[in-house]
Amino acid sequence: DGGITQSPKYLFRKEGQNVTLSCEQNLNHDAMYWYRQDPGQGLRLIYYSQIVNDFQKGDIAEGYSVSREKKESFPLTVTSAQKNPTAFYLCATSQGNGYTFGSGTRLTVV
Amino acid sequence: GEDVEQSLFLSVREGDSSVINCTYTDSSSTYLYWYKQEPGAGLQLLTYIFSNMDMKQDQRLTVLLNKKDKHLSLRIADTQTGDSAIYFCAESKYNTDKLIFGTGTRLQVFP
Repeated sequence: DGGITQSPKYLFRKEGQNVTLSCEQNLNHDAMYWYRQDPGQGLRLIYYSQIVNDFQKGDIAEGYSVSREKKESFPLTVTSAQKNPTAFYLCATSQGNGYTFGSGTRLTVV
Repeated sequence: GEDVEQSLFLSVREGDSSVINCTYTDSSSTYLYWYKQEPGAGLQLLTYIFSNMDMKQDQRLTVLLNKKDKHLSLRIADTQTGDSAIYFCAESKYNTDKLIFGTGTRLQVFP
């Protein structure tokens, strides 16, 4: 059964710590995306990757980093430089016609 | 700019029709999409329309596209409580996979 797996579903981070959110896909899609969603707001693009070993900054990349070493995986690291990281994070993939989304990770800074 | 705009809220009675509106900016967009997001979940693709069409119907869903006004709408017939969710429209950028999302419309269905 093809799909996107985001883990964990809930994540708590202490201030000043880095944390990595996982996104794995078995859809064989080339492009992968990370979005951030805040309450009552739309989706904001953090980073995206169209092929392995290549990625571009989105609209709000500051305080985040990514890697794309394998086609199946696009992990997002939220660094301590991100001043307001509490949000819902969504990973998506595409192969030419629309996106497929994961179920999201809710990150809370405590 | 790249803004895709939607109204924030819509409230309808169960059994009535819902119409969610969206305006987009890029006249070269090839596809336009509607996604549904239930609480705490990811986005689910509902339907999409190719830019050379002006209407698409899929069971209870009807999509209307007015390219001249860059206006897209989603009509849900016989709205049910299970339709309560946030609905996002999105436009594709020409010759890329990248989508630009609207702010989302929260649909609330009351009995």
